[in-house]
Amino acid sequence: KQEVTQIPAALSVPEGENLVLNCSFTDSAIYNLQWFRQDPGKGLTSLLLIQSSQREQTSGRLNASLDKSSGRSTLYIAASQPGDSATYLCAVNYGQNFVFGPGTRLSVLP
Amino acid sequence: EAQVTQNPRYLITVTGKKLTVTCSQNMNHEYMSWYRQDPGLGLRQIYYSMNVEVTDKGDVPEGYKVSRKEKRNFPLILESPSPNQTSLYFCASRRHGTGAYEQYFGPGTRLTVT
Repeated sequence: KQEVTQIPAALSVPEGENLVLNCSFTDSAIYNLQWFRQDPGKGLTSLLLIQSSQREQTSGRLNASLDKSSGRSTLYIAASQPGDSATYLCAVNYGQNFVFGPGTRLSVLP
Repeated sequence: EAQVTQNPRYLITVTGKKLTVTCSQNMNHEYMSWYRQDPGLGLRQIYYSMNVEVTDKGDVPEGYKVSRKEKRNFPLILESPSPNQTSLYFCASRRHGTGAYEQYFGPGTRLTVT
């Protein structure tokens, strides 16, 4: 069964810290992996998509890495801000279907 | 503007009363999908479609139907809703294939079945 897990489930940090969110998947036969942000009660906003052939993808203060062989991806957020507070979800694309992780709820304190 | 739209955004209904949630995208995407999101369970895929007249079950298809008669539309049908289908529903679309194609999500439909 294809499963995706995310650690930690919740994280609270002071403003300015660099932080790492983790995503693990059991089936490494992925097409790509996408990181999303979700604000409470709202839809999903795409942050980064990393192809199975890529090791890294960057957008502004965000950097996503992928190690397909070990079934892991990390999302690195530099110099965190209170506006980064949200739930972060990773989604693994297996071609025909997508499997989401449960999310990491991030709070950045001013 | 490229977008995925869903209607209605909020719906309260009673057990057994058939309902349809519409989903439409204007990006000419082949792939469309429905998810439900529940506290503690995350997002789970209900049905997906890789093109017109091609649909397949996701992880939690029981109690739902879909159809894909046109490329832009992918309605979700609950023939006889039950309280355990109370949830937040998302429609999504993307280009189909192995390329770096992002999945785009609609704003969500909050359904309550009493």
